[in-house]
Amino acid sequence: GQNIDQPTEMTATEGAIVQINCTYQTSGFNGLFWYQQHAGEAPTFLSYNVLDGLEEKGRFSSFLSRSKGYSYLLLKELQMKDSASYLCAVRAFRRVDAGNMLTFGGGTRLMVKP
Amino acid sequence: GAVVSQHPSWVICKSGTSVKIECRSLDFQATTMFWYRQFPKQSLMLMATSNEGSKATYEQGVEKDKFLINHASLTLSTLTVTSAHPEDSSFYICSAFLPGQPNQPQHFGDGTRLSIL
Repeated sequence: GQNIDQPTEMTATEGAIVQINCTYQTSGFNGLFWYQQHAGEAPTFLSYNVLDGLEEKGRFSSFLSRSKGYSYLLLKELQMKDSASYLCAVRAFRRVDAGNMLTFGGGTRLMVKP
Repeated sequence: GAVVSQHPSWVICKSGTSVKIECRSLDFQATTMFWYRQFPKQSLMLMATSNEGSKATYEQGVEKDKFLINHASLTLSTLTVTSAHPEDSSFYICSAFLPGQPNQPQHFGDGTRLSIL
């Protein structure tokens, strides 16, 4: 099976930088995704890593180390609107008919304070 | 970009009612769609994988007779919660697999909030 761990809650200050960690255990790893989800809404795609290293997209960056089963999402210049849940999701080859299935971690609720 | 439409967005009904939720891919053909359930302050839990023209694959612990999935066309999958009870109240989200985009394989609908009285 798969095991994905991330902190339940984090608090940060507007304008600061926050790092949300995600550790995973899986076989057949085929990519790690980060999603943002505001309360009552569907998740929105933030980033994708399949090779080791850092992927940068504006204020958001995501890092992956496959050997360590570890990823983080880095948010810079935090804004109040960044208050949301951040979901780490792992894709793994599990079944022939669901090669693109994602397994989600529990999510990290980020609260940005003025 | 790819868009997935989910309807209805909100349902309130009496216990024992069956509720149908539709998930449509608007500008692409989706041979595979996924149905998730999310309880308050929890993450998305995959319920089943819906494949066009074949039976859905249900995750362990999900009752296939309770949650009926039909994927009759390349653009539409439906989830029917049969004889819904208050414990079925949750946020249901579908997503569609977009072929040829491994870096963004799933596009989510806006979700359906189901409240059973």
